[in-house]
Amino acid sequence: SYVLTQPPSVSVAPGQTATITCGGSDIARKNVHWSQQRPGQAPVLVVYDDSDRPSGIPERFSGSNSGNTATLTITRAEAGDEADYYCQVWDRSSDHVVFGGGTKLTVL
Amino acid sequence: QVQLVESGGGVFQPGRPLRLSCAASGFTLSSYAIHWVRQAPGKGLEWVGVISFDGGDKDYADVLKGRITITRDDAKGTVYLEVNSLRGDDTGVYYCAKPRLEATIRAAFEAWGPGTLVTVSS
Repeated sequence: SYVLTQPPSVSVAPGQTATITCGGSDIARKNVHWSQQRPGQAPVLVVYDDSDRPSGIPERFSGSNSGNTATLTITRAEAGDEADYYCQVWDRSSDHVVFGGGTKLTVL
Repeated sequence: QVQLVESGGGVFQPGRPLRLSCAASGFTLSSYAIHWVRQAPGKGLEWVGVISFDGGDKDYADVLKGRITITRDDAKGTVYLEVNSLRGDDTGVYYCAKPRLEATIRAAFEAWGPGTLVTVSS
């Protein structure tokens, strides 16, 4: 089955840029989606189809996808960005949704 | 606005069945697939399964296949998840989620319910 690999944790200083990666075999061939989950809350979609943003999501959130790595970038990080972030793809070979293990973003 | 609300969670004994409901409003349910996702305490998101917009296609996670069934009743605006032979590792929060595009099971999840907690314990 398809596997997505994320770093367990990423730290960033306020106002700086956070980069969260999602590794998968030839992931560039897939549409990657990113969700943010704050403690005790349901996930919220922040980037879909590699680099598109749902309405209401700040431009500070952006995504890219190339080769074996997809990336979520958060510029001008704020305390409110502290959350778990999950990448997600549809695996055509199994007809299953696959989530990465999640990355805890700390803004300190 | 789009709203999903799960219900049916609680404490269940190992080996017993459960049925969760996902009540949908604010959109035409019959045009959308609905996914179920669960999250064990302190762990990441785990996809459970999906039912297509017309109910004709259902896909389930391999770890649950054989124990779960997803059904829908569009007239009642509700999608159901049944899990049989509950085990301790079924404990967690169960979410239903709506894709952002009609008639496809592959699109990103643009809306999630708040989740319902299931605890399997004797």
